[in-house]
Amino acid sequence: EPEVTQTPSHQVTQMGQEVILRCVPISNHLYFYWYRQILGQKVEFLVSFYNNEISEKSEIFDDQFSVERPDGSNFTLKIRSTKLEDSAMYFCASGRGRGNEQFFGPGTRLTVL
Amino acid sequence: KNEVEQSPQNLTAQEGEFITINCSYSVGISALHWLQQHPGGGIVSLFMLSSGKKKHGRLIATINIQEKHSSLHITASHPRDSAVYICAVRFKDNTDKLIFGTGTRLQVFP
Repeated sequence: EPEVTQTPSHQVTQMGQEVILRCVPISNHLYFYWYRQILGQKVEFLVSFYNNEISEKSEIFDDQFSVERPDGSNFTLKIRSTKLEDSAMYFCASGRGRGNEQFFGPGTRLTVL
Repeated sequence: KNEVEQSPQNLTAQEGEFITINCSYSVGISALHWLQQHPGGGIVSLFMLSSGKKKHGRLIATINIQEKHSSLHITASHPRDSAVYICAVRFKDNTDKLIFGTGTRLQVFP
């Protein structure tokens, strides 16, 4: 059964460093999402992406964040200058169409020291 | 404000018990999702529903649109059902994002 994959599973970085989190959505899906979950808190929406552009973003998704679909299969989340408060589990999700069921990847645990 | 609330926050049960987890939301929705999160952190979609009832194996999800309420039931619970169960909704405000509840931590003991 097709599934969303994410790499790496765990990333440790120093404050101020750039990180890129990678996702491979399900192949025939057209809508892509990033969510995050700070330890002990609920999952929060970051951004949605369709047709090579951002369709919606939350207040969390500030200028430090960017997303890209560089090659038609990968979907990446970049954090330019990480802060301690960026430490969280980051989930990628994909869906066949707008409003369809979203399928989640296993997550990347980001630890900023 | 668009909010999602779940109850209870924590639930323990003996193997074989019937489990009910509740979710309520503040305004109209286009869809509601029930998701399962295991200790490793991964999220698995269980159901997406916008009306009525859905069943998959021992899991049953119902939704009452008028009352803005959904329930997830687990029949004949098993220790492997131990996980966090999360309700997430897509509100009817022309948005595609999911708004998540805080989750219900279920532990089923043998």
